Amino acid sequence: DTAVSQTPKYLVTQMGNDKSIKCEQNLGHDTMYWYKQDSKKFLKIMFSYNNKELIINETVPNRFSPKSPDKAHLNLHINSLELGDSAVYFCASSRGGASSGTQYFGPGTRLLVL
Amino acid sequence: AQSVTQLGSHVSVSEGALVLLRCNYSSSVPPYLFWYVQYPNQGLQLLLKYTTGATLVKGINGFEAEFKKSETSFHLTKPSAHMSDAAEYFCAVSESGGSNYKLTFGKGTLLTVNP
Repeated sequence: DTAVSQTPKYLVTQMGNDKSIKCEQNLGHDTMYWYKQDSKKFLKIMFSYNNKELIINETVPNRFSPKSPDKAHLNLHINSLELGDSAVYFCASSRGGASSGTQYFGPGTRLLVL
Repeated sequence: AQSVTQLGSHVSVSEGALVLLRCNYSSSVPPYLFWYVQYPNQGLQLLLKYTTGATLVKGINGFEAEFKKSETSFHLTKPSAHMSDAAEYFCAVSESGGSNYKLTFGKGTLLTVNP
């Protein structure tokens, strides 16, 4: 069974479109995250949620809106896609924060904006 | 504020040789430190972590790291490299309190292993 799953795995779209990426974890964790990995492999946190409550929002443009319908899901909706949004987006989950739980990462969603 | 510096974006070793990947951190409070590995086209996997207690931490696949507060370092080592160790390695730091939920990553070190 996949611990943290993301859909879709690949996403190719045109500038200006709106798209969503879904994330689900079956580990019973209470904290979920979204990370962005750019073309140089640099990983940066975007959001973290604990028990469906937004904990971290790292100066991400308003075009990005996370939604956590329940503790097992954290989706990412992106409006008006721009070329610079092309990256790999990783979802992760943990039990509690960094000190108490390992973060488990999903396989990533490779987004290409044309 | 917290930050991580990984010295060397690319490290190349021969199979059987010592692996040393360097990581220095900056943190205003006692840090929590992590090493993650990323194989091609995959997500990240935790190798090891330091939160409190023993400063020498052993992880999976024969890796270990030592927390040195005086040097603000958390270097990753493995006595003998294997071909399967070829991957991207990331050092990360987190802090206690509210920032406990935020991992700050270094820029990564690509490890290649030559036969």
